[in-house]
Amino acid sequence: NAGVTQTPKFQVLKTGQSMTLQCAQDMNHEYMSWYRQDPGMGLRLIHYSVGAGITDQGEVPNGYNVSRSTTEDFPLRLLSAAPSQTSVYFCASSYDRRGLSYEQYFGPGTRLTVT
Amino acid sequence: GIQVEQSPPDLILQEGANSTLRCNFSDSVNNLQWFHQNPWGQLINLFYIPSGTKQNGRLSATTVATERYSLLYISSSQTTDSGVYFCAVARPGETSGSRLTFGEGTQLTVNP
Repeated sequence: NAGVTQTPKFQVLKTGQSMTLQCAQDMNHEYMSWYRQDPGMGLRLIHYSVGAGITDQGEVPNGYNVSRSTTEDFPLRLLSAAPSQTSVYFCASSYDRRGLSYEQYFGPGTRLTVT
Repeated sequence: GIQVEQSPPDLILQEGANSTLRCNFSDSVNNLQWFHQNPWGQLINLFYIPSGTKQNGRLSATTVATERYSLLYISSSQTTDSGVYFCAVARPGETSGSRLTFGEGTQLTVNP
């Protein structure tokens, strides 16, 4: 299993540009989430999904959109990039009904810089 | 929302020393995880431990859910243990597997 994969690893955007961060998991997990990590801080939840077609907002959702059309994929869209969105973005997945575990597993992260 | 406090914020050890990291949380949880973020930024799962005690090699963890704290023990520390250790929790509910709240972490430096 590849686990949770994210692309790209690095990205530089200009203010006002839009882009999509990709996330995929092959662990048959039902839940997927996006977090951001700013320097010297813990991770903060942006959006999450408990199944295909179901998404909800986390702690810091402004400026981001998500959709979940399949169990495996959960892309994060930046609508109009701002310097305040410079951060490291982590995707995570969890909840295997067979094992009844809520343990979250994280991807390697995408380092985004907005100039 | 739930508050998560980790202590100490910074810890410097000599190789071979033991240490205890603490995580206090403000409400009932049914998900508690410890992570190690290595110097390359990867988040590595250490323990999934909403209650009880677990051990994995030189690391062990204990969560006392009724008193709202968890402890991570590192014995015979090695330089490769350096990095940031995060505690993350979620309150009971259908979405608790998708909504972790992180503490600010403990920065551990192990010197040779």
